[in-house]
Amino acid sequence: AQTVTQSQPEMSVQEAETVTLSCTYDTSESDYYLFWYKQPPSRQMILVIRQEAYKQQNATENRFSVNFQKAAKSFSLKISDSQLGDAAMYFCAYKGGSGGSNYKLTFGKGTLLTVNP
Amino acid sequence: EAQVTQNPRYLITVTGKKLTVTCSQNMNHEYMSWYRQDPGLGLRQIYYSMNVEVTDKGDVPEGYKVSRKEKRNFPLILESPSPNQTSLYFCASSSPGDYTEAFFGQGTRLTVV
Repeated sequence: AQTVTQSQPEMSVQEAETVTLSCTYDTSESDYYLFWYKQPPSRQMILVIRQEAYKQQNATENRFSVNFQKAAKSFSLKISDSQLGDAAMYFCAYKGGSGGSNYKLTFGKGTLLTVNP
Repeated sequence: EAQVTQNPRYLITVTGKKLTVTCSQNMNHEYMSWYRQDPGLGLRQIYYSMNVEVTDKGDVPEGYKVSRKEKRNFPLILESPSPNQTSLYFCASSSPGDYTEAFFGQGTRLTVV
């Protein structure tokens, strides 16, 4: 079974600075997909960024980027120029490329990000 | 607007009283899932459905039932709720395709007393 580990239950960052959230995963599959979701106080789950395992290039979406290290099974999220609206719970998630693991997301336990003005 | 709609958003009930949480999506997605979110545990899949009349257990199915009679609807049924089912529940849908994201409903906060 796949597992996702977020080792930082809480993080804080000053507004306009950069923060990196860690995520590691364990899988025996060679084909899979990784996601970061944001959950603000409204509880809505919002996709931040996604990465295909077969792509070596790290995904980027505006101020959000990932550092994907396939051999190390690491998928960290970097938020640049942090804004007050970035304050939220962030979840790292894994989806397998085939079979039953393709039908679900396996989530980490989350990292609560606080942005200080 | 593309969305997944859950109802109710908040529910307080008593142990043993059957309840249903509804979920509907308007994106014609084949895949639908239910997750529960508990503090310190993240989200865990309860049940999923690959298409109409096709469902299967996720990681924590005990105490729950689902049905998929129509493509757009995927209700979650708790036939005899217990306090350990107090949680935040999310319905999600997605289309086939490895890279596709899951779209989530607004969540249902359930308290069983």
